[in-house]
Amino acid sequence: EAGVAQSPRYKIIEKRQSVAFWCNPISGHATLYWYQQILGQGPKLLIQFQNNGVVDDSQLPKDRFSAERLKGVDSTLKIQPAKLEDSAVYLCASSDRAYNEQFFGPGTRLTVL
Amino acid sequence: GENVEQHPSTLSVQEGDSAVIKCTYSDSASNYFPWYKQELGKRPQLIIDIRSNVGEKKDQRIAVTLNKTAKHFSLHITETQPEDSAVYFCAASETPNDMRFGAGTRLTVKP
Repeated sequence: EAGVAQSPRYKIIEKRQSVAFWCNPISGHATLYWYQQILGQGPKLLIQFQNNGVVDDSQLPKDRFSAERLKGVDSTLKIQPAKLEDSAVYLCASSDRAYNEQFFGPGTRLTVL
Repeated sequence: GENVEQHPSTLSVQEGDSAVIKCTYSDSASNYFPWYKQELGKRPQLIIDIRSNVGEKKDQRIAVTLNKTAKHFSLHITETQPEDSAVYFCAASETPNDMRFGAGTRLTVKP
């Protein structure tokens, strides 16, 4: 079974620039999560999708972050404009349904200079 | 919302010894408690989870205990091996969309 795929693996940008991350969940997984993991901290949930609908985005900084999952499969997370404090690893995870094991992707390490 | 505290932040043990990591949570309605292991530069992977209708769960050298009254749960690793060295995260959730992670414990197993 193929795992969760993410790209790019690394990204370096200057503050105020825009960046987008892509996630392809495990086939058949209806639930998709985006997490932000700052160095030395646990993952923080940004947004959760159930198929192509948003279940929770209460911790997503909506003034600069946006995410979509148009066809209920792949998802993109965008930051515009980026700030220094956005430097983190962005993890995508999926599960076949809520309360089941979440499978994480390799993450995208973002550095904002 | 849920608040999860995890301690210790770092733990060093000799190979073969046991390691215990503890977490407390604030929301008494939380009913799902997974533990993840994250090796350096790699993705978090679920190692064990427990639901609120169970007090203890064991899988080979790993066990998790849950005390709902005190609102804490613990990870126990017995007969530790160098490959157990990693960062371990606990998490708690009441609903599917409010999973909260602890800050992590860096476990080092010395050969």
